[in-house]
Order: sequence, then structure tokens, then C-alpha cells
Amino acid sequence: DIQMTQSPSTLSASVGDRVTITCRASQSTSSWLAWYQQKPGKAPKLLIYKASSLESGVPSRFSASGSGTEFTLTISSLQPADFATYYCQQYNSYTFGQGTKLEIK
Amino acid sequence: QVQLVQSGAEVKKPGASVKVSCKASGYTFTGYYLHWVRQAPGQGLEWMGWINPNSGGTNYEQKFQGWVTMTRDTSITTAYMELSRLRSADSAVYFCTRYHNSFDVWGQGTMVTVSS
Repeated sequence: DIQMTQSPSTLSASVGDRVTITCRASQSTSSWLAWYQQKPGKAPKLLIYKASSLESGVPSRFSASGSGTEFTLTISSLQPADFATYYCQQYNSYTFGQGTKLEIK
Repeated sequence: QVQLVQSGAEVKKPGASVKVSCKASGYTFTGYYLHWVRQAPGQGLEWMGWINPNSGGTNYEQKFQGWVTMTRDTSITTAYMELSRLRSADSAVYFCTRYHNSFDVWGQGTMVTVSS
């Protein structure tokens, strides 16, 4: 099975900051990589698919890149609504990263 | 609008089974695979498997083989996930989710609590 490792596990930042979350795969996933945002008590929300494609309706401050085994999600200017937990997922065999909790500094 | 609506919370005793439903609306039910994902309290997301609503074919994550069953009823555009021989470690929120450019639509989640 492909293992997904996110870093950092927790990230403290302020409104307006630019932040980056990294996701590494134990073997190549090509571009079959998605990013989700989850808020407490809610279902995950798809942000990015196919490594860098922005899901419809997702603000353009979210961007992502990568292929193979290393991927990044960037939020260009944090807004209050962005404080949440973020998960990467490879969708060859559907495993998720362990999550990155984005907290207010 | 495209929507997945799941059944309500369940409380079960160890060793029992639970069956969670997921009703789809707003799109062609047979056109997209449905997956199930669970999340234990305070933990991350765990993929369980998928069902092809068109054929009824399934694929389960190896960990769940032999104790999860995914089915569907196309006449009522509803998918089901049944987990048997429940243990306390199965207490979690169970989500159904549609596969289209990864998991683009999610149900609201069903909390399953296993407690004696």
C-alpha cells in the first residue's frame, strides 16, 4: 500500500500569512493526488484534485503542485475560514495522509 | 443539487452489526462509484472501500475484507454499508462519498457508537 505522510502535523499561523503543507508518498502516485479541508463536525471538502486542479467554487488563494511522490498545498493569504484540518489523499489506492491542523497563532 | 444524505446515528453493542444508508440525489446514481470512509474520534480519515452502483461490484480495503458489505438499491438510489462483528474500535463517523475527480461530494456522516 502507498503510505502518505504530511508535514507539519500542526501549523500555527496568522490571518494574512502564506502557508504551505507538504505531502509525501511512499511510492509514485503520478498526479493522482487530492487535498481536502475538514472543519470540526463536518465532512471533508474537496479543494484540489489531480495534484493541482482547483475544485469549482474553491477560492483562488488555494493552490497546489507536485507529482510523483512530493506534493504541496499553499494558501496564499490566510482567511479566518481557512483554519481547519487539511488532508492529502492519493487516489490509486485511496489512502489519506494523517492530516495537518492549521491553527490560529 | 447533488447530495448524499446518510441515515442517523446508531448505538450498537459489541458483536452486533450496523447498516448505514446513503441516499443520492441530483445526479445519475449509476454513473459514479460510491466510496465509504470512516473517522474515529479525533483521528484521521480511513478509506474502507467502494461500490459500483451500476454493476453492484465492490472493492474493499484489505483490512475490512470479510466484515464489511457494501450494497445498493438502484430503485431508490441508495447505497448501504454494513459492518459486522462490531468492536469498540469501530466507533467512528462513517461517510459515503462520490468519486468524481477524487471525492467531490460527501454525505454528512453517520456516527456509530459501539458500547456495552
